[in-house]
Amino acid sequence: NAGVTQTPKFRVLKTGQSMTLLCAQDMNHEYMYWYRQDPGMGLRLIHYSVGEGTTAKGEVPDGYNVSRLKKQNFLLGLESAAPSQTSVYFCASSYVGRGFSPLHFGNGTRLTVT
Amino acid sequence: DAKTTQPTSMDCAEGRAANLPCNHSTISGNEYVYWYRQIHSQGPQYIIHGLKNNETNEMASLIITEDRKSSTLILPHATLRDTAVYYCIVRVGSTLGRLYFGRGTQLTVWP
Repeated sequence: NAGVTQTPKFRVLKTGQSMTLLCAQDMNHEYMYWYRQDPGMGLRLIHYSVGEGTTAKGEVPDGYNVSRLKKQNFLLGLESAAPSQTSVYFCASSYVGRGFSPLHFGNGTRLTVT
Repeated sequence: DAKTTQPTSMDCAEGRAANLPCNHSTISGNEYVYWYRQIHSQGPQYIIHGLKNNETNEMASLIITEDRKSSTLILPHATLRDTAVYYCIVRVGSTLGRLYFGRGTQLTVWP
């Protein structure tokens, strides 16, 4: 049981390049989320998904796109990377059901845009 | 969502109790108090949550004041591995992951 796995762990991009971050969870969770974390800013929600085939915007969605084609995977895309997108990206998941469901986080992807 | 106020940093001797305070004076009746922590270079980890009663689990205890305007997370016997940033979050239920993490408290446990 790996929990939430993010790939890659590190990436350096040049301005204007594109890339996709992959998040995979093996807990059969319905909800998945992408956050970014910048120094002194805490975590900010980029996009989230409440189920396969559905996505929604969070607090800071501009410059990012997401897809949830399979329940276990949630992809975050940067079509044209900008230096302002240099950050640590975290994926999380949670289940739907009775009672409280804590967020389970991956260990992050460190992205640098030069 | 109600905002929270936490000290920027605290320290604690190993083996002693670590008491981390959080103020949430604008909390409403249906908002829960959650605590997460983030050890350096890792993703945040859920610790505990509560509505109005005190709660305890294998990791920590959560004490919520009667007026619910503040709470304290207690790590009863802190270890070096408890060194982390601790986030106090107030939110209605557990919907949709829209948790405002803020800046948290950097807890340093000293040997």
